[in-house]
Amino acid sequence: GQNIDQPTEMTATEGAIVQINCTYQTSGFNGLFWYQQHAGEAPTFLSYNVLDGLEEKGRFSSFLSRSKGYSYLLLKELQMKDSASYLCAVRDIYNFNKFYFGSGTKLNVKP
Amino acid sequence: AAGVIQSPRHLIKEKRETATLKCYPIPRHDTVYWYQQGPGQDPQFLISFYEKMQSDKGSIPDRFSAQQFSDYHSELNMSSLELGDSALYFCASSTRQGVGNTIYFGEGSWLTVV
Repeated sequence: GQNIDQPTEMTATEGAIVQINCTYQTSGFNGLFWYQQHAGEAPTFLSYNVLDGLEEKGRFSSFLSRSKGYSYLLLKELQMKDSASYLCAVRDIYNFNKFYFGSGTKLNVKP
Repeated sequence: AAGVIQSPRHLIKEKRETATLKCYPIPRHDTVYWYQQGPGQDPQFLISFYEKMQSDKGSIPDRFSAQQFSDYHSELNMSSLELGDSALYFCASSTRQGVGNTIYFGEGSWLTVV
């Protein structure tokens, strides 16, 4: 099975940097994904890590340590529109189809 | 680029009625997933199909059924609806080809059971 943990809620200031952590325990790891979800809308794909290290994509970066079962999503130069829930999801190597989602971290960006 | 298309976007049904949601995956995607997301909750996996065959089953109630058709579109059929079925239902698609393929979500279908 899977066990994915994220903080429930975070608050940060516009223009700042925020790091959202995700820890996981999985029987078979085959990639970690970050999604952004605005209320009432579909999750949108942000980033993907399967190897250890940092993946950078504009203002968003994601880091993975497989040995520690740990990932973080780093958001730089925060904008008000970044206020959303951020979902960490792990893919199961024993079932190539299944994604397990964490409960999401609600990020509030304040002026 | 084409995205996952879901219909209807909004649906209101009474208890004990039946509802059908449709999903059209991204072209050339061979896998379709259905998720249910209640208010303030994370998406819960219901069921998935690969090449028109059921590939995995999650927390889908026995009152629900789904299938994938020859054109790869999928339908989620929900019968004997209960108030607790009110949720946002997402369809997502992906392909097994290549490495690191992620899943892409449709905009969701809001089901309200009254």
